[in-house]
Amino acid sequence: NAGVIQTPRHKVTGKGQEATLWCEPISGHSAVFWYRQTIVQGLEFLTYFRNQAPIDDSGMPKERFSAQMPNQSHSTLKIQSTQPQDSAVYLCASRRGLGSFSYEQYFGPGTRLTVL
Amino acid sequence: AQSVTQPDARVTVSEGASLQLRCKYSYFGTPYLFWYVQYPRQGLQLLLKYYPGDPVVQGVNGFEAEFSKSNSSFHLRKASVHWSDWAVYFCAVGQQGTGSKLSFGKGAKLTVSP
Repeated sequence: NAGVIQTPRHKVTGKGQEATLWCEPISGHSAVFWYRQTIVQGLEFLTYFRNQAPIDDSGMPKERFSAQMPNQSHSTLKIQSTQPQDSAVYLCASRRGLGSFSYEQYFGPGTRLTVL
Repeated sequence: AQSVTQPDARVTVSEGASLQLRCKYSYFGTPYLFWYVQYPRQGLQLLLKYYPGDPVVQGVNGFEAEFSKSNSSFHLRKASVHWSDWAVYFCAVGQQGTGSKLSFGKGAKLTVSP
């Protein structure tokens, strides 16, 4: 079991450029979550997919941020026109289906985004 | 809305001494609760989890936590700290039934002194 895979581990972009972050959940897990971690704000929920369908995007900034899950093996988080305040570690997590009554989430190593 | 407070941002403990990290949660009803540990430049690793049942739960590496509904708390304990426990510890609360997002505390940075 490889765990949750996130690529790239580090990404540096210039202000105004686009950044795409990738997440591969644990095989067989049906839910994928994205969180953002900063020193100031801590861990913040961004968005959540279940069986590839978007369920809750209440934490996503209304502009420039979007997430997709085109198939059960990967999800992407895209940030358009990146700004310095987007610099953070972006964490992806996956979880088994609700029918398993298993609610713990398993996290990937994160992608450290630096916007210059 | 669910929330978590970890009142001790930094804790220093001597190697071999006991440890308690405090966690207070706010949640209407009975929550799911978790402790995660984060080592430098890594993601979060699950230490232990509480689902409604026995209030004392055991985790990995000798960690345990006790749930108290009356105190809205889920404190983490370890009898004897090892230098390898040097890390940041996060308490999190999840929503029962829907299995949705976790809300995290700000974390407690544990330093282990020789």
